[in-house]
Amino acid sequence: DGGITQSPKYLFRKEGQNVTLSCEQNLNHDAMYWYRQDPGQGLRLIYYSQIVNDFQKGDIAEGYSVSREKKESFPLTVTSAQKNPTAFYLCASMGQGYPMNTEAFFGQGTRLTVV
Amino acid sequence: GDSVTQMEGPVTLSEEAFLTINCTYTATGYPSLFWYVQYPGEGLQLLLKATKADDKGSNKGFEATYRKETTSFHLEKGSVQVSDSAVYFCALSDPSGAGSYQLTFGKGTKLSVIP
Repeated sequence: DGGITQSPKYLFRKEGQNVTLSCEQNLNHDAMYWYRQDPGQGLRLIYYSQIVNDFQKGDIAEGYSVSREKKESFPLTVTSAQKNPTAFYLCASMGQGYPMNTEAFFGQGTRLTVV
Repeated sequence: GDSVTQMEGPVTLSEEAFLTINCTYTATGYPSLFWYVQYPGEGLQLLLKATKADDKGSNKGFEATYRKETTSFHLEKGSVQVSDSAVYFCALSDPSGAGSYQLTFGKGTKLSVIP
């Protein structure tokens, strides 16, 4: 079955550590996105990528980094520079070019907690 | 830039009540419109979509009509159930905008249905 997979579902980070969240899709989508969601809040865009080896900052990119070496994969690293990383992280992908560009598919999310 | 405005929550309804969640948008091009649903601890799932004016999206008893003249895409359901309790997000995708292929989300509306 085609879909988008995030791992792990739960992740714990110690102060000063970098952690990497995985996002893999087998939908042959060009565009991929990372969002952050805080309790009771909406979605905030961290980074997005429309093509392999290219990505752009979203609204809250500070303290995060990404790579897009393969079409299927868009990992997010939460660095020690991110002072308040505890949140729910969502990855999404979308096809490009009308009419494909009509909906995004989301992973199940990774809940990151600083301990 | 593009924006989506949806009614603030939370919304609490009794089972079998009528539901309306208002959503209006601004977009530079001709967007596709979506409603996503998020159950606790999960990612977002596409509930319904509409890609052109006067289209009606429908799924699981929910409906929304793409109204270009009023730039609206209100979500309705005639009789809600306890299982409809979730957070609902209105969103658009505008392939003509400056941020091509970038989804724009509303802030979400939390719905609680009580027996």
